[in-house]
Amino acid sequence: DTAVSQTPKYLVTQMGNDKSIKCEQNLGHDTMYWYKQDSKKFLKIMFSYNNKELIINETVPNRFSPKSPDKAHLNLHINSLELGDSAVYFCASRDYWNTGELFFGEGSRLTVL
Amino acid sequence: ELKVEQNPLFLSMQEGKNYTIYCNYSTTSDRLYWYRQDPGKSLESLFVLLSNGAVKQEGRLMASLDTKARLSTLHITAAVHDLSATYFCAVDIYNDMRFGAGTRLTVKP
Repeated sequence: DTAVSQTPKYLVTQMGNDKSIKCEQNLGHDTMYWYKQDSKKFLKIMFSYNNKELIINETVPNRFSPKSPDKAHLNLHINSLELGDSAVYFCASRDYWNTGELFFGEGSRLTVL
Repeated sequence: ELKVEQNPLFLSMQEGKNYTIYCNYSTTSDRLYWYRQDPGKSLESLFVLLSNGAVKQEGRLMASLDTKARLSTLHITAAVHDLSATYFCAVDIYNDMRFGAGTRLTVKP
């Protein structure tokens, strides 16, 4: 029973297209994140939600729009995809008031051609 | 802004040797995390260090935290090939969890 699950795992698309990635966690955590990992393995925080409320909104192009319909789900929609958006996108969740460690999904590898 | 610096970024070791990875951060925080990532995989939590002086050990890895120096170390004892991976430290300030650049460890026979 996967704790943090992301779909799809792979996306290959053309520049200019729009795509979405979905994330669900069954750990009962209140806080969820999106991270972008580039080809050099650097992990950049993009967004964080706590109980459906946006609490961290990093300097990310506004082509990226997160949405949290409930505290177990956090989706990421990307408009007008560009070559530089190619990366692995990780969803993660945590229980801030416990140990606070992040539990990651398997990642969604986005390739923009 | 919270900055997290790891060094070295690349580490090639012989099996059986010892080495330490360092993680410095710029802003006061009492919580520091170490994660491991295998090639093509996700990140998994290795250690959670929640207070000054915390030390955690698991197998050949030992992590420690000095909040006054804003420094954490990950010590590898008698490295084996299975430890080859990328290791990340991460620090958080009120839900803003920032990662170091990662240390890519290769253990050679």
